[in-house]
Amino acid sequence: EAQVTQNPRYLITVTGKKLTVTCSQNMNHEYMSWYRQDPGLGLRQIYYSMNVEVTDKGDVPEGYKVSRKEKRNFPLILESPSPNQTSLYFCASRGSHNSPLHFGNGTRLTVT
Amino acid sequence: SQQGEEDPQALSIQEGENATMNCSYKTSINNLQWYRQNSGRGLVHLILIRSNEREKHSGRLRVTLDTSKKSSSLLITASRAADTASYFCATDSKAAGNKLTFGGGTRVLVKP
Repeated sequence: EAQVTQNPRYLITVTGKKLTVTCSQNMNHEYMSWYRQDPGLGLRQIYYSMNVEVTDKGDVPEGYKVSRKEKRNFPLILESPSPNQTSLYFCASRGSHNSPLHFGNGTRLTVT
Repeated sequence: SQQGEEDPQALSIQEGENATMNCSYKTSINNLQWYRQNSGRGLVHLILIRSNEREKHSGRLRVTLDTSKKSSSLLITASRAADTASYFCATDSKAAGNKLTFGGGTRVLVKP
């Protein structure tokens, strides 16, 4: 089944403790992206990647890192999480700019 | 950055009625896409309409696009309780670096 898989689904952590949210897709998509969703602010893009070893900042990249060493994986790294990064995070992928995004089921992160 | 803005923000209807929501955007687009999100879950693609198309149908969904007014509408006919969700438009444009930019969404409640 074609899908985008994020892990974990829920994560509670404390300020400053590094964490990684994994994302993997099995559709051989070149484009992958991370979004955060917050009440009243909609979906905002954090980082995106057009292909292996190519990553670019989205609209809200501060406090986040990504890597794209393989086509299928696009992990999101929070080196020193802060409470304002408490949010619902989505990974997504697509084959080309004229095709739809496929979303993962989301990771609900709470930073205390 | 360019952003689609949905109207209304929330909509409550009875089962069997039609639901219409609108999306406005600011700059020229390659295509416009509509997505659906059930509470806390990942977004699911509904319809993609290209800039040279004016109307598209998929089952009970009808999407129109008016590039002169920079607006799109999504119509759900004969709504069902299972249509209760948030609906988002997303614009894909060269001006935004060929990345999708999402609006704030319309929350639709279909009462049985």
